[in-house]
Amino acid sequence: AQSVTQLGSHVSVSEGALVLLRCNYSSSVPPYLFWYVQYPNQGLQLLLKYTSAATLVKGINGFEAEFKKSETSFHLTKPSAHMSDAAEYFCAVSETDSWGKFQFGAGTQVVVTP
Amino acid sequence: EAQVTQNPRYLITVTGKKLTVTCSQNMNHEYMSWYRQDPGLGLRQIYYSMNVEVTDKGDVPEGYKVSRKEKRNFPLILESPSPNQTSLYFCASSLMAGGPNEQFFGPGTRLTVL
Repeated sequence: AQSVTQLGSHVSVSEGALVLLRCNYSSSVPPYLFWYVQYPNQGLQLLLKYTSAATLVKGINGFEAEFKKSETSFHLTKPSAHMSDAAEYFCAVSETDSWGKFQFGAGTQVVVTP
Repeated sequence: EAQVTQNPRYLITVTGKKLTVTCSQNMNHEYMSWYRQDPGLGLRQIYYSMNVEVTDKGDVPEGYKVSRKEKRNFPLILESPSPNQTSLYFCASSLMAGGPNEQFFGPGTRLTVL
């Protein structure tokens, strides 16, 4: 079965510093990949998605992610953290032969310090 | 306004008392799904529906039922709730044209089973 691993349950970054959140998947066939953000007491919002069109995917709020097949990874980055980036981030995958089924990672809580 | 609504938002109940959490979307989406969110586990998919009258199990379907009689509604039924079903529940919907797409999440339902 497909699994998703997010390395690091908590990440603390300084305002203006690089944000790097790691996501690895287990499938031998590249799945569809997503990053979602959850602000306190809210549902999830899509940041970006990978569907095989391009390996570098740009999303909202200055985030981007790079798909690396050889590393089975889809890490999320933002060059310069802003206080408003404090939230929980989830990586999610869906198999190419089972669109409706999704697996989410355990999440990474991002804290931004002044 | 395009949205996914869930009711109730908060519910405290006792073991064994049947309950239903409603989910409705006004975006004419074919796909709908239910997730539960628990600390340290991320989101886990309970059931999903690719269209009216079509439902499938996610990773944690035990103890839950769903139905999809209309496109806009996807209720989650707990026939005999138990304390281990205490969780935060999210409903989501999506267009599924050509593959998995952005999911739009409801605000969540916090369920406590005593």
